[in-house]
Amino acid sequence: GAVVSQHPSWVICKSGTSVKIECRSLDFQATTMFWYRQFPKQSLMLMATSNEGSKATYEQGVEKDKFLINHASLTLSTLTVTSAHPEDSSFYICSAKFGGPEKLFFGSGTQLSVL
Amino acid sequence: DAKTTQPTSMDCAEGRAANLPCNHSTISGNEYVYWYRQIHSQGPQYIIHGLKNNETNEMASLIITEDRKSSTLILPHATLRDTAVYYCIVRVANIYNQGGKLIFGQGTELSVKP
Repeated sequence: GAVVSQHPSWVICKSGTSVKIECRSLDFQATTMFWYRQFPKQSLMLMATSNEGSKATYEQGVEKDKFLINHASLTLSTLTVTSAHPEDSSFYICSAKFGGPEKLFFGSGTQLSVL
Repeated sequence: DAKTTQPTSMDCAEGRAANLPCNHSTISGNEYVYWYRQIHSQGPQYIIHGLKNNETNEMASLIITEDRKSSTLILPHATLRDTAVYYCIVRVANIYNQGGKLIFGQGTELSVKP
């Protein structure tokens, strides 16, 4: 199957700082990538859809100025958590669409801890 | 997209078949059934999908009832590594549908025991 690489696997930061998470499709081009967030013992919650060369589409209730998404190439999408606070601590997962009909392949996730 | 209902948790003995049910009584004719699983602290993994015919691949089998209101994922010989949360998702699969996003429900936590 297609490989999606996510980096870093985990990050610890101080409150008020910004954190960037990278999502790469290693062996295919992904015009569309998706960002999810998952709190402990809960299911994945879709945050936004990242489209190459255009603005991301955010789900209702997700602050676009808080979670900046950039999809500048067909193999890379980035999520930047700006001015992170402890409540932003979560498991962030990206995915990319490959093949038909529209299977999604997921990265291994990034555990963010904000102190 | 149609809503799905799955049991919260299930146990299965190692080496036995694991049968995971999913109800999707409001499914539409153009909606597929997808199954993904998530092993603890990892990203979800695609398992299988189908429209109305039963499907089988190297990981599992998917049995969809004739009225398509429910389905069962079958892991024929469960191993300890199959312990995970299994998600049943129903959605339209075409290039015009909202860019292909998947909405996850709560899933079934499958525990495979020795």
